Formats: sequence, structure tokens, C-alpha cells
Amino acid sequence: EVQLLESGGGLVQPGGSLRLSCETSGFTFNNYAMSWVRQAPGKGLEWVSISRSTVTNTYYADSVRGRFIISRDESKSTLYLQMNSLRAEDTGVYYCAKTEYDSFQLPFHHWGQGTLVTVSS
Amino acid sequence: EIVMTQSPGTLSVSPGERATLSCRASQSVKSNLAWYQQKPGQAPRLLIYGASTRATGIPARFSGSGSGTEFTLSISSLQSEDFAVYYCQQYNNWPPTLTFGGGTRVEIK
Repeated sequence: EVQLLESGGGLVQPGGSLRLSCETSGFTFNNYAMSWVRQAPGKGLEWVSISRSTVTNTYYADSVRGRFIISRDESKSTLYLQMNSLRAEDTGVYYCAKTEYDSFQLPFHHWGQGTLVTVSS
Repeated sequence: EIVMTQSPGTLSVSPGERATLSCRASQSVKSNLAWYQQKPGQAPRLLIYGASTRATGIPARFSGSGSGTEFTLSISSLQSEDFAVYYCQQYNNWPPTLTFGGGTRVEIK
């Protein structure tokens, strides 16, 4: 069974940093692209970033490019999101999501339950 | 950037009735379009991908159609568990920016 477990969320001041983790199990991590998607309170879904294991390129939404860094540790089957220079508008639930192949252009067949990030003073 | 527009924002439907949700892309996404369902406090769940292919375990009352810029999600006979928010997502463009629509809330009439 595919499992995605996010952690690392919490309360952080504007301008601060936070690192999210997504521990995975039930599949061969390096065979799949992985992504982060967020949802502000009461709002819709916003794609944040995507990573593949066999390609070094990573991609970001305009709203986070230059501030967030996606990475993955294949030995730990874990996806990360380093979030720097955080702003109030980064507040929300952050989900990690898995595609069905190692490609950037696929939907997300599996999702974690999310971790809440709150940026506030 | 491709903009995804969903309509209506809210759809009021009686149980047992048919629901039709629309999603429009600002430029062609071919058939690279997915639909997700999200219930309060839960993660999204993939319903449809490739515009018309049901994901694993999705009941046959859910169907998707369309290509290019116009897409439709139909729920043939609404069950109580179908009242939720539905999002479309395109995954066609390059560099990838996997944009979602703003969502349609399906509520009990």
C-alpha cells in the first residue's frame, strides 16, 4: 500500500524558514516523480514544485521560485521542501503527491494527508 | 501560464440527480486533464485522468469528457458521499506548471 506521510509543519515568523518532509513507503521511490501541492485556508489547490529522481531539473510555481527548494533522498525514500523567506501568503496545508511514472507531466494518483504551515508574527 | 477556469463555483443538486461540472483551459491541454474530489479535512482524491479515464476504484457514475480547452465531469446519480469540492488540473504544458482550477463545490439542494 502506498503511504505518504508529511511532517515538519508548524508556526513560523515571516522571513523565517521551515523544512517539510514526506516519508514514503509501499513503492519504489526512485521510479516516480513527486510533487508538493498546497492549500491556503478555505482556498483551492496550488501546485508548488515537482522533482524526478532520474533528472536533476526541478520546477517551481512562480509564487515560490527562488525561495523554496525541493529535494529527495532516495536512500530514505523521502521528499523534502526547504521553505525560506516565508510570507503570510505561504500559510496553508502542504501535501506531497505521487505520480504513476517518473515524468513531470502526469496527474497525482496518491496524496499524503498534509502538514499545516502557519506564517505569522 | 495556462489558466484553468471551473464553473459553476457552486452547484446545488438533489441526491439521485445528475451533476455536470465544467472546466476550461486558456489554451489547449490536449487530453492532459485530471479531476480530483476533496472532502472537508481530507486530501484530494484522483477521479479522472487523461480527461476520461477513471482512476482505480472510482465508481462508474463518474465520467469525464472533452479535449483541448473544454472539459466536463459528470456524476450520473449523486450519492450522499459525492457532495464535495471538485478540482480540474492540467498537466500538459512545458516547463511544467501543473495548474488547478478554482474548484466547484457540489452541495445538497
